[in-house]
Order: sequence, then structure tokens, then C-alpha cells
Amino acid sequence: EAGVVQSPRYKIIEKKQPVAFWCNPISGHNTLYWYRQNLGQGPELLIRYENEEAVDDSQLPKDRFSAERLKGVDSTLKIQPAELGDSAVYLCASNHGITNTGELFFGEGSRLTVL
Amino acid sequence: AQKVTQAQTEISVVEKEDVTLDCVYETRDTTYYLFWYKQPPSGELVFLIRRNSFDEQNEISGRYSWNFQKSTSSFNFTITASQVVDSAVYFCALSIKAAGNKLTFGGGTRVLVKP
Repeated sequence: EAGVVQSPRYKIIEKKQPVAFWCNPISGHNTLYWYRQNLGQGPELLIRYENEEAVDDSQLPKDRFSAERLKGVDSTLKIQPAELGDSAVYLCASNHGITNTGELFFGEGSRLTVL
Repeated sequence: AQKVTQAQTEISVVEKEDVTLDCVYETRDTTYYLFWYKQPPSGELVFLIRRNSFDEQNEISGRYSWNFQKSTSSFNFTITASQVVDSAVYFCALSIKAAGNKLTFGGGTRVLVKP
């Protein structure tokens, strides 16, 4: 069974440029998460989807960040415009919502460097 | 609000030594889950264990063991006879049933096992 797939693995952009990250969760997982992990820190939740509905986006900086999961499968996280402080690893994770006890399956992440 | 503290930022050991990672958590809820995840250099967070708040039994899985003590709000993790492949960052995490089982991570402990 394929794991959570993310792309790109690495992205370097200049500040004020836009950037987008893509995630394909494990087949059958209806819950999808985007986390941000700053250097030397633990991941922090940005947004959680149950199917195509964003059920927790309280920590998503909505002035510049947006996310979508149109068909309840893969998802895109966008930043526009990027700022220096957005440099981080963006992790996508998924699990079965029905049996959700917090165990998540993570992708390898997308490392963003903003210059 | 919930919080997870991993006081050790980095631990360095020589192969075959035992290493214990500390985790202290804070929550007012009575129903919660505790987790340990491993993040190797590849970046993907790998699930190691989940415990629910009503099960204080310690657990052993191969060279890994976990000590859950509600009296001290601790969930410590021991690697016995460490190996070079154990080198990674280890995260302790907490999820609260009342908060939709959203995962809150500690800051992580980097373990370096030298040959």
C-alpha cells in the first residue's frame, strides 16, 4: 500500500513569490492534515479536513495561506505571498476519521526555503 | 489547553547503551491519548506507540519500552541496547478526545547513536 505522497520535496523561492504543495493521502483515508514544522520544533497543525470539508483551520494564517481538498482525496496548500518566516517543512498526514484516535500516517514533507 | 514538554533537546550515546527520553504532558481532560513518533533523517514521521489515558500498563516492543505514569503526567520512552539506526528525532505527542483528537507535539529529542 502506498503511503502519503507529497510534492515537491524541496522548494526554494524568493519572498513575495507564491508556492504550492500537493499531497495525496493513503487510499481510503478520509481525514487529511497539513502540519508545519519549523526547524528544531515539533509539527504544528495548520488545517484538518474531513473529506472535502475543512473542520479545523484555526491555526491557518488565512491572509496568505489557503488550502483545498476539492474531491475529498488529494489536497493543495498554497502560500501567497511567501515571507521569510514561512521557511519550514510542510507535512501532510492522513488517517481513517472513524477510528481517529490521533494516529497519523505522514508523508516525507515539503521543505520550503524563502530567500 | 494541552502541552507536551520534552526537556532533552539532544542525547548522544554509544552503540549498545540504553537511552531514556522524557516526556511530560499537561491536560485537564480525563480522556486522552499519548504517542511517540520517530523522525529519521528522511523526514517522515513514523508512529511508534499509542496509549490511552485509562491504560497505565507499561509496554515493551523489542528494544523499545514505554513507562506511562499518570501521577507524574509522564510518558517516558527507553531504547535498550541502542543501535546506529536508532539515530533520529523522537517526538512525544498528546491528543484530546474532546478536541477532536488533534495531535499536540512536543519539541522533540534528537538521539545520536555513535558506533
